[in-house]
Amino acid sequence: QKEVEQDPGPLSVPEGAIVSLNCTYSNSAFQYFMWYRQYSRKGPELLMYTYSSGNKEDGRFTAQVDKSSKYISLFIRDSQPSDSATYLCAMRISNTGKLIFGQGTTLQVKP
Amino acid sequence: GAVVSQHPSRVICKSGTSVKIECRSLDFQATTMFWYRQFPKQSLMLMATSNEGSKATYEQGVEKDKFLINHASLTLSTLTVTSAHPEDSSFYICSARGGLMTYEQYFGPGTRLTVT
Repeated sequence: QKEVEQDPGPLSVPEGAIVSLNCTYSNSAFQYFMWYRQYSRKGPELLMYTYSSGNKEDGRFTAQVDKSSKYISLFIRDSQPSDSATYLCAMRISNTGKLIFGQGTTLQVKP
Repeated sequence: GAVVSQHPSRVICKSGTSVKIECRSLDFQATTMFWYRQFPKQSLMLMATSNEGSKATYEQGVEKDKFLINHASLTLSTLTVTSAHPEDSSFYICSARGGLMTYEQYFGPGTRLTVT
């Protein structure tokens, strides 16, 4: 069993839709949770960073962490074609520990 | 701020040759750099962690004699793929972290290696 599971998709939505991306994990020691966006043939860029459980909002993006269910989500409101990319969840145990990535979900937002 | 560059962006080499990939932190000092490999439609897999001035720590299953990592300065780390084979063809991405209290990793744009 992988430490972090993420549905690779692809996920296709119309412009303006609300997108929900999810990851599950097995290691209850994970404390720090991140979402990265990766455009084709580029390196990942950090979108959201959360510590422990709860919600965090930044513009059109909301990250949720449910540690009791070992489940994290990223919501994108009013999705735009420019949001089309691969979204990777990542997590780690300590502040300076190794990042463990999910497989990534490919999202396409159609105009 | 926090820009990481990689060079080259893509390289094609023949089987049996060696290839060097550079990773530079442009506007901060990176005490720790990480090297990842990403196969098509798969996630990033950590290969090794290097701290400036010390030997790299390799992940299980990564051959340290094949993937040579040098982190000679606070702004430069290099990955050399020695005696490359077609199965080494992949997307190699570095990331850099600056300072013990700066937890965030900043990723480079990646290097596409194709071994023919």
